[in-house]
Amino acid sequence: EVQLVESGGGLVQPGGSLRLSCAASGFTFSNFWMHWVRQAPGRGLVWVSRVNSDESSKDHTTYADSVKGRFTISRDNAKNMVFLQMNSLRAEDTAVYYCATGTGYEYDYWGQGTLVTVSS
Amino acid sequence: QSALTQPRSVSGSPGQSVTISCTGTSSDVGGYNYVSWYQQLPGKAPKLIIYDVSKRPSGVPDRFSGSKSGNTASLTISGLQADDEADYYCCSYSGSHPNWMFGGGTKLTVL
Repeated sequence: EVQLVESGGGLVQPGGSLRLSCAASGFTFSNFWMHWVRQAPGRGLVWVSRVNSDESSKDHTTYADSVKGRFTISRDNAKNMVFLQMNSLRAEDTAVYYCATGTGYEYDYWGQGTLVTVSS
Repeated sequence: QSALTQPRSVSGSPGQSVTISCTGTSSDVGGYNYVSWYQQLPGKAPKLIIYDVSKRPSGVPDRFSGSKSGNTASLTISGLQADDEADYYCCSYSGSHPNWMFGGGTKLTVL
């Protein structure tokens, strides 16, 4: 059974940092692109970032304009983990963050989400 | 780049059919057959119900169907049931940045 389990969310002050983790199991992790998608309270889904299956490939990461330069996605294929380092956090980054993946251009699998609240 | 355009809400009575539209551009919805649809119940993670425009994952009832014409994709739910009441989101791969775009979401109310 495929499982994605996010962790690392919490309350952080504006300008602060947080590192989200997503532990994957039940599939060959190293073969899959991994994504982060967020959802602000009462709002819709927004794609945040993607990391390719092969970190050595050119342009193996990509970001939404709203987080580029502040967020960094990475993965550890040996540990079946994907991470999202979030720096210079703003109130508008408050959201539930989901890690997600799929066999094609869709998201077959989602984690349960982890809530990030940016507030003083 | 703006999100894909969905109606904010639709409604229907049990047994009826409803269709939710998702309008993009020739760079996303119109340019690729990589439109997917997700059902999200309150407080839950999204669930894939349609991928590659019209394919259903295993376990999704055939009451759910997808199609595309030009830059607009559509999700049709036939034989509405009470537990279909949820938020529905479309998503499309895009050849330009950002490479994945979601619609704003549509709230389905079963009357």
